[in-house]
Amino acid sequence: QVALTQSPSASASLGASVKLTCTLSSGHSIYAIAWHQQQPDKGPRFLMRLNSDGSHIKGGGIPDRFSGSSSGAERYLTISNLQSEDEADYYCQTWGTGIRVFGGGTKLTVL
Amino acid sequence: QVQLVQSGGGVVQPGRSLRLSCAASGFSFSGYGMHWVRQAPGKGLEWVAVISYDGGNKYYADSVKGRFTISRDNSKNTLYLQMNSLRGEDTAVYYCAKAPDGAFYFYMDVWGKGTTVTVSS
Repeated sequence: QVALTQSPSASASLGASVKLTCTLSSGHSIYAIAWHQQQPDKGPRFLMRLNSDGSHIKGGGIPDRFSGSSSGAERYLTISNLQSEDEADYYCQTWGTGIRVFGGGTKLTVL
Repeated sequence: QVQLVQSGGGVVQPGRSLRLSCAASGFSFSGYGMHWVRQAPGKGLEWVAVISYDGGNKYYADSVKGRFTISRDNSKNTLYLQMNSLRGEDTAVYYCAKAPDGAFYFYMDVWGKGTTVTVSS
């Protein structure tokens, strides 16, 4: 079964860039994923679908500061020009036959 | 705009049942798959169930299989989650979410605001 691994936490300074990583389990390196953001005390928001070739489709209203890329089994979410409202939990999510799977999430702190 | 308005949460005793609803508007509901996702207090997101655009295909997480049933009424633009034999570990905020298409419903592109379910005696 496919599984996703994320670092529990990350931090970066206001105005800087940060790259969050989501790693697919062995044998699943061609899988696409979706990235979701959850700000404190809010529901999740879809950011983008990210394919294995790095192509991505963003959700409506998602700023250009958010971009995605891929390398092997790694899927990345890069946020540039960090703003205070980017402080949130970020979840990657993928799918297999009959299942949908979330990573454990990365808590991003904007310093 | 696309809206998902949830209702039906509350406090329920272990072993009892509860039904959640998710009323959709702003899009052609009958053309899209729909998900339920939950989040236990202080924990991450956990996928619960998904249903195809016509209700013909349904899939469940192992943790709820046999106890929860996802369904939809396309005439009412409403998604449901019937939860039976509830346990303490089912305590969570439950989110309904729209899939980006009807046939492959792989992920979620619009989320509801969530409804809280507390299972406690």
